[in-house]
Amino acid sequence: DQQVKQNSPSLSVQEGRISILNCDYTNSMFDYFLWYKKYPAEGPTFLISISSIKDKNEDGRFTVFLNKSAKHLSLHIVPSQPGDSAVYFCAASAGQTGANNLFFGTGTRLTVIP
Amino acid sequence: GAVVSQHPSRVICKSGTSVKIECRSLDFQATTMFWYRQFPKQSLMLMATSNEGSKATYEQGVEKDKFLINHASLTLSTLTVTSAHPEDSSFYICSAKALAKNIQYFGAGTRLSVL
Repeated sequence: DQQVKQNSPSLSVQEGRISILNCDYTNSMFDYFLWYKKYPAEGPTFLISISSIKDKNEDGRFTVFLNKSAKHLSLHIVPSQPGDSAVYFCAASAGQTGANNLFFGTGTRLTVIP
Repeated sequence: GAVVSQHPSRVICKSGTSVKIECRSLDFQATTMFWYRQFPKQSLMLMATSNEGSKATYEQGVEKDKFLINHASLTLSTLTVTSAHPEDSSFYICSAKALAKNIQYFGAGTRLSVL
């Protein structure tokens, strides 16, 4: 039972354009969401998070949007750079457990074309 | 900061042997460590959560006698796959979380292949 879904396994974007990575979830109790980036042969690296009390969180080129009614979140990267090419995972937790008990999506491979 | 080292990165063993995987937080104290397993084309699945000095909490369906977890210090947790069988072949990855820090920091993972 996949509670966090990333339905696009891959995405290609031109350098300088916006990358939009999407994530859907089914558990309405999820209240904390994180995005991780993973390069080959490395562990996932934390990018940005958002609590369910917000609908947007921004950190430099990265912005996460949360639509609770649609159970949907997205990660926007603008402008996209070749170094952003990686696999991006979204993760969620419930019950105000913060970054404990994370449920992960299957990842989206982003390729930024120079 | 917030570096997690996982060792070994890859291990190949014979069926019936036990394999130990180490997870270390190098520059912070990890009050909680997590062990995940990932099958091809699937997401990371939490196996167990361990808090320093106490017994690990295992997720449903994970055999605690099969996957022994020790979190003896604030910087080290180990996962031992006992009497490994081919079906235990998978990618195992650990993460660590500091107290009052709402982020899990991940190791690079261990690819286990049981022949």
